Amino acid sequence: NAGVTQTPKFQVLKTGQSMTLQCAQDMNHEYMSWYRQDPGMGLRLIHYSVGAGITDQGEVPNGYNVSRSTTEDFPLRLLSAAPSQTSVYFCASMYSHTTNEKLFFGSGTQLSVL
Amino acid sequence: AQTVTQSQPEMSVQEAETVTLSCTYDTSESDYYLFWYKQPPSRQMILVIRQEAYKQQNATENRFSVNFQKAAKSFSLKISDSQLGDAAMYFCAYIDGRYGQNFVFGPGTRLSVLP
Repeated sequence: NAGVTQTPKFQVLKTGQSMTLQCAQDMNHEYMSWYRQDPGMGLRLIHYSVGAGITDQGEVPNGYNVSRSTTEDFPLRLLSAAPSQTSVYFCASMYSHTTNEKLFFGSGTQLSVL
Repeated sequence: AQTVTQSQPEMSVQEAETVTLSCTYDTSESDYYLFWYKQPPSRQMILVIRQEAYKQQNATENRFSVNFQKAAKSFSLKISDSQLGDAAMYFCAYIDGRYGQNFVFGPGTRLSVLP
């Protein structure tokens, strides 16, 4: 059982470049989300989805785009990378936002924007 | 908006001793869930314990227990018989109980375990 698979683990970008962070879960979870982790600030929600075709913004959505075409996949797109987007990114899923059992996390992506 | 505060950026404990990590939160909701997550140097996020606000009984998982004070909006984590493997960042987190969609995390407490 793979759980939440997040790729890549590390990435270096130049300012202005675009890229997609991939996230897939095989647990048939309804809820999926993306967080960024910065020192002293904990994890902050970027975007989330409560089902295929449904997405919404979190606390820090600017500069990021998401889509949810299938239950399994929830990619995060950086449209034009900026140094302020240097961070560790986590994808997380949960069975349902109506039960709030627990979040299952991917292993994280360390992103550096030069 | 809900907020979660962890007032101790760093803490240390001697191996085999007990340590308590503090967490306070702000919400106007009566139905919600609280969590403690552990993040070791591997970066993996691991659920330590979960508390449902409507349950008065404090949650316990082996050496980990919480002191949930709903009126004071306090949710502290006690680690008994500390082990070297407990060294990690610990995050307190909150989510609304009724169709909550946004987990709110505190800034974290870095715990060191001294041999």
